[in-house]
Amino acid sequence: DAMVIQNPRYQVTQFGKPVTLSCSQTLNHNVMYWYQQKSSQAPKLLFHYYDKDFNNEADTPDNFQSRRPNTSFCFLDIRSPGLGDAAMYLCATSPTGGSAYEQYFGPGTRLTVT
Amino acid sequence: QKEVEQNSGPLSVPEGAIASLNCTYSDRVSQSFFWYRQYSGKSPELIMSIYSNGDKEDGRFTAQLNKASQYVSLLIRDSQPSDSATYLCAVNRYGQNFVFGPGTRLSVLP
Repeated sequence: DAMVIQNPRYQVTQFGKPVTLSCSQTLNHNVMYWYQQKSSQAPKLLFHYYDKDFNNEADTPDNFQSRRPNTSFCFLDIRSPGLGDAAMYLCATSPTGGSAYEQYFGPGTRLTVT
Repeated sequence: QKEVEQNSGPLSVPEGAIASLNCTYSDRVSQSFFWYRQYSGKSPELIMSIYSNGDKEDGRFTAQLNKASQYVSLLIRDSQPSDSATYLCAVNRYGQNFVFGPGTRLSVLP
């Protein structure tokens, strides 16, 4: 089945220790998104790729970076995680940017910062 | 005013009843509207998308859109305990990203 896969599902890192979360998709969608979701809050968009074009949300901290080496894979790098970065990180894809296209989410990675 | 607003919840309904979830949005040129279901600790799952005024039905779910009133709703007929989850409304317009509402927590009581 075509799907969005995230690894790992659970990640524990230490304060200040860099961490990388990964997302892959078999849907061949050209848009990929990274969201941060904290408890009882809506998903918050961090950035997205339209093909190789990177789009950063204005309020995304510099501590968060992303890479998309090819259509199928996208990575979220947190350079120096703080306690406030503990959250669920969601990867989503859509067939193209714009209004008519649905976003499909992966299962998420729950990040704990100790 | 927040861009997308939803019932604060939690909304409790008895099993077999109709659950009605509401969403209002502020951007008049919004074009696409989505309902996602999110179980606790899981990722959002797309339930319905709607683009035109009126009703759209899929099984026990009906989405209703009224662009003049800037209002979109989700009705769940014959509610089941397995429908207990948080329901997120998402809105966007061409060239823009999704804006999510804060979500409404639904509890279906056996």
